[in-house]
Amino acid sequence: DIQMTQSPSTLSASVGDTVTITCRASESISFWLAWYQQKPGSPPRLLIYKASTLTTGVPSRFAGSGSGTQFTLTINSLQPDDFATYYCQQYESYYTFGGGTKVEIK
Amino acid sequence: QVHLQESGPGLVKASQTLSLTCTVSGGSIRSDGLYWTWIRQRPGKGLEWIGYMYYSGYTYYNPSLRSRVTTSVDTSKNEIYLKLSSVTAADTAVYYCARGVRQWRGDYFDYWGQGILVTVSS
Repeated sequence: DIQMTQSPSTLSASVGDTVTITCRASESISFWLAWYQQKPGSPPRLLIYKASTLTTGVPSRFAGSGSGTQFTLTINSLQPDDFATYYCQQYESYYTFGGGTKVEIK
Repeated sequence: QVHLQESGPGLVKASQTLSLTCTVSGGSIRSDGLYWTWIRQRPGKGLEWIGYMYYSGYTYYNPSLRSRVTTSVDTSKNEIYLKLSSVTAADTAVYYCARGVRQWRGDYFDYWGQGILVTVSS
């Protein structure tokens, strides 16, 4: 199985900050990676697929990059609505998710 | 707008079979390139892919759950179904159905149901 490791597990930030979340795959997944945002009591929301393609309706302050085994999700100018947990998901072989990164208010 | 809604018992006894329904509206299950997927999230934990099925009936399951999982589809009702047998407390989770969009040989999930909490009691 391909393991997905996210870091950090928790991130404290302020409104207006730029934050970066890292996702590492245990083997190469090319660019078959998606990012999701989840808020308590709600299902995950797709933000980015194919490592860097922004889903329609997602603000442009979200950006994804990377390929192979190293990927990042960057949120520029963090907004109050962005405090949530973020997950990466590989779809190169079966489907596995990272453990999540909780972005909390500093 | 595509909408998915899970339904079923919120409480299942250990050793019995968990059965859930996902009703899809705003779009047809019979669409090329879409794979209807079950994913679960144990309390306070991350996400685990259970399996998917295509409208033709083709299925593909997580190897760790394969021996206990069955999915099916009723295209006339636009519904997909999940059965998980011999449940234990470890199967207590929020169960989601999601729409998978095929890219190359895998899917990302662009629409999700609200989720249903299923608790396994002893």
